[in-house]
Amino acid sequence: AQSVSQHNHHVILSEAASLELGCNYSYGGTVNLFWYVQYPGQHLQLLLKYFSGDPLVKGIKGFEAEFIKSKFSFNLRKPSVQWSDTAEYFCAVTSGSSYKLIFGSGTRLLVRP
Amino acid sequence: SQTIHQWPATLVQPVGSPLSLECTVEGTSNPNLYWYRQAAGRGLQLLFYSVGIGQISSEVPQNLSASRPQDRQFILSSKKLLLSDSGFYLCAWDPRQGWDTQYFGPGTRLTVL
Repeated sequence: AQSVSQHNHHVILSEAASLELGCNYSYGGTVNLFWYVQYPGQHLQLLLKYFSGDPLVKGIKGFEAEFIKSKFSFNLRKPSVQWSDTAEYFCAVTSGSSYKLIFGSGTRLLVRP
Repeated sequence: SQTIHQWPATLVQPVGSPLSLECTVEGTSNPNLYWYRQAAGRGLQLLFYSVGIGQISSEVPQNLSASRPQDRQFILSSKKLLLSDSGFYLCAWDPRQGWDTQYFGPGTRLTVL
């Protein structure tokens, strides 16, 4: 069965620190990859997505992610975090012709001012 | 623009009582609709999805059921709640145009006592 792993469950950073959240998936075929974010008290919303083309994807609020097919990875990065980036981040995958979004367990990011 | 509504926002129910959670989407037609459950530290788990009125696919055997009586209405139900049904329930939709982003509602926090 397909699965998504987010190895960092809790991350604490100071403002201006760099961020990288890991995401690995298990599926050998064509995948679509997503990062969603849930800010405190808000809806789950899309941060960025990869369907095809340039494996380096840029999203909102200065986030980016790189699809590395050989490593089955789609890590999320931001060069300098802000206090407002405090949220829970979810990696998700759809595979093949499936509608199903498979989510990772999420990473809670706390940015200290 | 499209919006998605869920109600109630929070619900506290005794074990053995029935459940009905409602989700409606505005501003689009013929969407795919989804129910997810979010458990602490476990990410989001897909429960049901629907590609049209009366068409429901169940992903996880459980105490819950779903129905889609109208194009933009998706209902999650149970005849008798269990303690293990407690969680955060999210409804989502996508426009069914290729493999696109799913958009999430605000969620319902269900506590079964």
